[in-house]
Amino acid sequence: AQKVTQAQTEISVVEKEDVTLDCVYETRDTTYYLFWYKQPPSGELVFLIRRNSFDEQNEISGRYSWNFQKSTSSFNFTITASQVVDSAVYFCALREDYQAGTALIFGKGTTLSVSS
Amino acid sequence: NAGVTQTPKFQVLKTGQSMTLQCAQDMNHNSMYWYRQDPGMGLRLIYYSASEGTTDKGEVPNGYNVSRLNKREFSLRLESAAPSQTSVYFCATLGQRNSNQPQHFGDGTRLSIL
Repeated sequence: AQKVTQAQTEISVVEKEDVTLDCVYETRDTTYYLFWYKQPPSGELVFLIRRNSFDEQNEISGRYSWNFQKSTSSFNFTITASQVVDSAVYFCALREDYQAGTALIFGKGTTLSVSS
Repeated sequence: NAGVTQTPKFQVLKTGQSMTLQCAQDMNHNSMYWYRQDPGMGLRLIYYSASEGTTDKGEVPNGYNVSRLNKREFSLRLESAAPSQTSVYFCATLGQRNSNQPQHFGDGTRLSIL
């Protein structure tokens, strides 16, 4: 069963629009960690944010904000006033405490295209 | 990404050839991982090593072998490459298992099997 679902495969916006990338996860673990990574066209994976399961405080970093809601098992990512440089593939990932090796479970990614 | 180094960055193989992808880290991390990334599939775990001397299968291990040579190095071997193994391969490391620290990724190896 898929544990991390990013239902939006591709999103296209025009510069300065706000955009929200959805992430829904599934876990039976009480302690887990959620992450967002960005993969620009150059191909490397850039870590953006992490969130512990026991910390539901939302976070804002410049134009980026994250909304973590345990009640709906969601960890959504909003970019305010999008820019062309935001064009990338964005991955949401889950790490469960009990899982051997503590590997990340990735969603399939959302490709964001921002046009000028 | 200075902490995790993958070699080579690009490689083209013919079906049936063998090859080893190298990964080295200088962060003194215990855990190391190999993922593959395919279009529309996200990243999937091939093998991991929780500590030096141990390795375990991930979600998609078939056709691969790994070796944790020492704490720094974790290699991925394709014994007989197949076109289905055309992918981008990422190596990653993690310092503490029960922490909220992110995994650190290498820049990837783009592998094409003809």
